[in-house]
Amino acid sequence: DAGVIQSPRHEVTEMGQEVTLRCKPISGHDYLFWYRQTMMRGLELLIYFNNNVPIDDSGMPEDRFSAKMPNASFSTLKIQPSEPRDSAVYFCASSPTGANYGYTFGSGTRLTVV
Amino acid sequence: AQSVTQLGSHVSVSEGALVLLRCNYSSSVPPYLFWYVQYPNQGLQLLLKYTSAATLVKGINGFEAEFKKSETSFHLTKPSAHMSDAAEYFCAVTPGNDYKLSFGAGTTVTVRA
Repeated sequence: DAGVIQSPRHEVTEMGQEVTLRCKPISGHDYLFWYRQTMMRGLELLIYFNNNVPIDDSGMPEDRFSAKMPNASFSTLKIQPSEPRDSAVYFCASSPTGANYGYTFGSGTRLTVV
Repeated sequence: AQSVTQLGSHVSVSEGALVLLRCNYSSSVPPYLFWYVQYPNQGLQLLLKYTSAATLVKGINGFEAEFKKSETSFHLTKPSAHMSDAAEYFCAVTPGNDYKLSFGAGTTVTVRA
């Protein structure tokens, strides 16, 4: 298995632009998570899905952030408009059913908003 | 709600010395506990996990951790550090009935030659 695949690996954009981050989970994993990592706040859960349905989006910081999972093999995290304080590493992770499995993380997308 | 506290944001050890990373948790129900490692510019990789079976858990790369309910701890150890162990380590917890992992702030390990 290729693992969790995220794209792009790096994204540099200007303030005010729309940014879309992409994730392909491991086939057969029913859960998908989006995390953000910063020096100041560490790892924060933004949102997670079960069987393509958003379960908890309480970590989404603002209405500028939105996430979708149109099918079992693809998810997006969109920021519109982007701001410099959104600069962070964004991780996607997936898990099979069963909280005891833990997550498999992707390599992350490093977002820089200038 | 569950939470994790990692004691010490930085740990420096000599090559061949014991590595000890401390993690204390709080959880209102019996937890599942995890240790992850993150190498520079990479995602997090699962090292080991406790899911209510054996309290001493062995993981990859020679690491192990012991779940101590009375101390609400899940400390990570490795008897002999290797240069390749230099990374950031995260402890995480979830209640057994929830999928949301709460991560600690992380501990950065440096290994001196």
